[in-house]
Amino acid sequence: AQTVTQSQPEMSVQEAETVTLSCTYDTSESDYYLFWYKQPPSRQMILVIRQEAYKQQNATENRFSVNFQKAAKSFSLKISDSQLGDAAMYFCAYRSRAYGGSQGNLIFGKGTKLSVKP
Amino acid sequence: NAGVMQNPRHLVRRRGQEARLRCSPMKGHSHVYWYRQLPEEGLKFMVYLQKENIIDESGMPKERFSAEFPKEGPSILRIQQVVRGDSAAYFCASSPSSVPNYGYTFGSGTRLTVV
Repeated sequence: AQTVTQSQPEMSVQEAETVTLSCTYDTSESDYYLFWYKQPPSRQMILVIRQEAYKQQNATENRFSVNFQKAAKSFSLKISDSQLGDAAMYFCAYRSRAYGGSQGNLIFGKGTKLSVKP
Repeated sequence: NAGVMQNPRHLVRRRGQEARLRCSPMKGHSHVYWYRQLPEEGLKFMVYLQKENIIDESGMPKERFSAEFPKEGPSILRIQQVVRGDSAAYFCASSPSSVPNYGYTFGSGTRLTVV
């Protein structure tokens, strides 16, 4: 069974600075998707960025980028020019590339609470 | 285009009562997933449904929990005879198909408190 581990329960960053959130995962599959979700106090789960395992190029979405190390099974999220609105829980998630059934489910880590200091 | 709608947003039930959580998927989405988030935890998969069918319920507790997604109307997650341990946030997500190209669209969740 796949597992996702986020080893940093809490992180803090100064506004305008850069922060990196860590995520490792375990799987025997060779093809899969990885995601970072943001959960602000409103509780809404917001997709931040996704990575397809068969793509070597790291995904980037504006100030958010990932460092995907497939051999090391590592998927870290870098937030550049941090803003107060970035304060939230961040969850790393894994999804099999297989179609349908239970393999389509997202497997989440326990999350990292990010605080942004003004 | 409304997103995934969940109601109620907050639900308080006494031990032994029934809880009914509703989820209306995005327009055009026929696949619904329910997840549960316990305090200080990530989301855990419960059940995956398509219209009128339960595809995978491997994450559902064996007793007291049931889910449906009828041909018409929202998906319902029902918890009978609730206990304090059922207190959690319950999230619904929808997708247009089982093709796993994208992460799902999540609703804002229902926070269930059992007193």
